[in-house]
This record gives sequence, C-alpha cells and structure tokens, in this order.
Amino acid sequence: GQNIDQPTEMTATEGAIVQINCTYQTSGFNGLFWYQQHAGEAPTFLSYNVLDGLEEKGRFSSFLSRSKGYSYLLLKELQMKDSASYLCAVRDGNYQLIWGAGTKLIIKP
Amino acid sequence: DTAVSQTPKYLVTQMGNDKSIKCEQNLGHDTMYWYKQDSKKFLKIMFSYNNKELIINETVPNRFSPKSPDKAHLNLHINSLELGDSAVYFCASSQAGGPTDTQYFGPGTRLTVL
Repeated sequence: GQNIDQPTEMTATEGAIVQINCTYQTSGFNGLFWYQQHAGEAPTFLSYNVLDGLEEKGRFSSFLSRSKGYSYLLLKELQMKDSASYLCAVRDGNYQLIWGAGTKLIIKP
Repeated sequence: DTAVSQTPKYLVTQMGNDKSIKCEQNLGHDTMYWYKQDSKKFLKIMFSYNNKELIINETVPNRFSPKSPDKAHLNLHINSLELGDSAVYFCASSQAGGPTDTQYFGPGTRLTVL
C-alpha cells in the first residue's frame, strides 16, 4: 500500500529553527508537496520538490531524497504565526496525490 | 478576487436531510476536486473532475454525488445525511499537466449533522 509518515506534533520556540520530516512509500513518484494549514482554514501551498536537493523560499526550505523516500520542511526564524499543521503530499505514479496526516507545529514564546 | 470559493461556509442540518455545497474557481484550471477532512485532520480525496469529466471516484457512499456543469464549477450533493458525514469539505482546483499541477483549496465548508 501507499503510505506517508509525519510526526503528529512538534513544539518549537519563537526565533528558532524546526525541521519537519516526511517519509513516503508510494507506487511511483511524480513530486512532493508541502502545505500549511492554520486551524479552521484551508491548506495553502508552500513548496514543491520533484528533483533531489534543497528548494529555498524565504524562511522556508524543503529537501527531497527520492532514493530514501524522504523529505523535510525547514522553518527558520520561527514566528508565532507559523503555528499550524504542515501537510506532506506525494504525487504517485498515477498522478494521484497521496496525503500525510499532517504535523501540528506549536510555537512557544 | 477569490480564487476558489465555496458556499456555504457553515452548514448545520438534521440527519436524513439532503444538502448541496457549491464550488467555483476563477483560476482557469481544468481539474477540480472534493476532499473530506475529518476530526483527525486527515485529508481524504473523494472526487476529481477534469474538464467536467469524472476521473477519480474514491470509495465514498453513493449518497454523495458530484456535478460539474462546467469546468469552473464542481458542486457536491449529499443525500440522506448521516452523523458520520460531519466534517470539513474542501474544494480544490489545479491545472493538469502544468509545471507542478499544484492544487489550490477553497476555504472549506464545515458540515455538522445533528
């Protein structure tokens, strides 16, 4: 079966750095997405990786290793507004999007 | 200016009723989706339409019927509502074959069945 694993919850301190990991086992691979979802709101697109390596976008970076079935989302200079759930999603060989259950990130002052 | 919009935002109804949720996107995308997010926050795909044609129909009760009058609209009709249908329903759209085929989500419809 297809599976995506993320930690359920993480806690970090304002101003610090946090890394949210995602591992996946899918039938084929056509890209990995990270979305942010604030409580009571819609998921919003953060990043997309299809090749190995690091994609940087401001305070957020996303890394992919296809051979290891592994990605992480790195958030720097954490702000209180970064408190949200972070969803990892993988597009499989049939171009269907498989979603992880999300990681709830709690930022403390 | 809203890219993907849904109505209503909140829906409270009794068991056994029939209700509809509407979705519209003005992004010019050709693919639209319905997702269900339950209390555990897990996003589950229900349906996907490409150019008004059904392409994904996951295992959902046949009480759920999507309708796409044109590629900018995808509505969801639910018959004989049950307690377990209580969840947040998200509509999304994407441009199939685009560089990333990124999905953009509507604000969600919180359905409560009493």
